[in-house]
Amino acid sequence: GENVEQHPSTLSVQEGDSAVIKCTYSDSASNYFPWYKQELGKRPQLIIDIRSNVGEKKDQRIAVTLNKTAKHFSLHITETQPEDSAVYFCAASETSYDKVIFGPGTSLSVIP
Amino acid sequence: DTGVSQDPRHKITKRGQNVTFRCDPISEHNRLYWYRQTLGQGPEFLTYFQNEAQLEKSRLLSDRFSAERPKGSFSTLEIQRTEQGDSAMYLCASSLLGRGEKLFFGSGTQLSVL
Repeated sequence: GENVEQHPSTLSVQEGDSAVIKCTYSDSASNYFPWYKQELGKRPQLIIDIRSNVGEKKDQRIAVTLNKTAKHFSLHITETQPEDSAVYFCAASETSYDKVIFGPGTSLSVIP
Repeated sequence: DTGVSQDPRHKITKRGQNVTFRCDPISEHNRLYWYRQTLGQGPEFLTYFQNEAQLEKSRLLSDRFSAERPKGSFSTLEIQRTEQGDSAMYLCASSLLGRGEKLFFGSGTQLSVL
């Protein structure tokens, strides 16, 4: 089955700096890669996703890149703000309608 | 409809007891998922449904766990003969097949097995 790894497990950045979270997946059949943000005590929420036919996707300050050959994908947050502090989970699934397998998460702290 | 709701929010039980959790998805959503999350970990897939059909159950899931979605609306997750290792947050999520892939999560049920 699919296995998703994620690093770093914790990340601290100064406000205004960029943050990068990297993930790898094991199942070459995976084609859909969402990212979820979970604030302390709250439920996970989708922030961005990417499909295998696209190498990069951007939405304001966040962007995701995908390298299917290497089975790597990454989340980039620019101009970080304190409200970006949360746990971020990468995930993968064979299609956008299959079960979603999550990585272990990255705890991001943005220091004002 | 304000979103996915789960009941109860918290459950404390003694080892060996049975527990049942309920999830009410967003009303038009035909997909329903159960995940388990422990502190510092990502959501772990347990099972999912399309309407009333259970599509897949994690191979790692003990036979003590069972889930139903009898009418394709709400779902229940039952854990029989609970063990201390079952202590976790149980998350339910729903989505609408064909109208986007976003999972909408509930607030979860926090289970503590003493």
